[in-house]
Amino acid sequence: DQQVKQNSPSLSVQEGRISILNCDYTNSMFDYFLWYKKYPAEGPTFLISISSIKDKNEDGRFTVFLNKSAKHLSLHIVPSQPGDSAVYFCAASEFSGGSNYKLTFGKGTLLTVNP
Amino acid sequence: DVKVTQSSRYLVKRTGEKVFLECVQDMDHENMFWYRQDPGLGLRLIYFSYDVKMKEKGDIPEGYSVSREKKERFSLILESASTNQTSMYLCASSHGYEQYFGPGTRLTVT
Repeated sequence: DQQVKQNSPSLSVQEGRISILNCDYTNSMFDYFLWYKKYPAEGPTFLISISSIKDKNEDGRFTVFLNKSAKHLSLHIVPSQPGDSAVYFCAASEFSGGSNYKLTFGKGTLLTVNP
Repeated sequence: DVKVTQSSRYLVKRTGEKVFLECVQDMDHENMFWYRQDPGLGLRLIYFSYDVKMKEKGDIPEGYSVSREKKERFSLILESASTNQTSMYLCASSHGYEQYFGPGTRLTVT
């Protein structure tokens, strides 16, 4: 059973507009959420994260919103740029004690930003 | 900057061969992970290790084994490669929640 779901396989937006990528989760024990960005033939790179005790975290053009009651998070990119075109993965973690920081990833959303 | 390196970017092997994928990190991280990425399936965890000589199965361990003899090095072993193991293999390391990934190895089994 998929615990982290990204229901949109792809998203296309115009340069300068807002990109909104969505992620839903089912495990209420998840306490930390991350977004990764991946270009073809490269490893994923960390973008932004949010703890479950917060509802918003901002870093430059990137903002992540967390709605715990809905078990939903979203990544907003404003303004979108052609270089943002990549696959975006949502990931969630449940702390299990010790140093067990395993992540559960969604299937990814391919964002295309058109010039 | 954290650096995670993988021994090969591209690899072509034949069915039945034993395949070794090596991963090295330079940040003294306790945790190391092996994933595979396939179109439409996202990143799936194969094995992970939270200490030297310690290993735990991930979501898809069948057909794979791992070795962690030194803290900085985590190896993935395909005991007898099969065509359904053709994939992009990604190694990662972490101290806390944030994982740092290597560039990946594109493995093709023919």
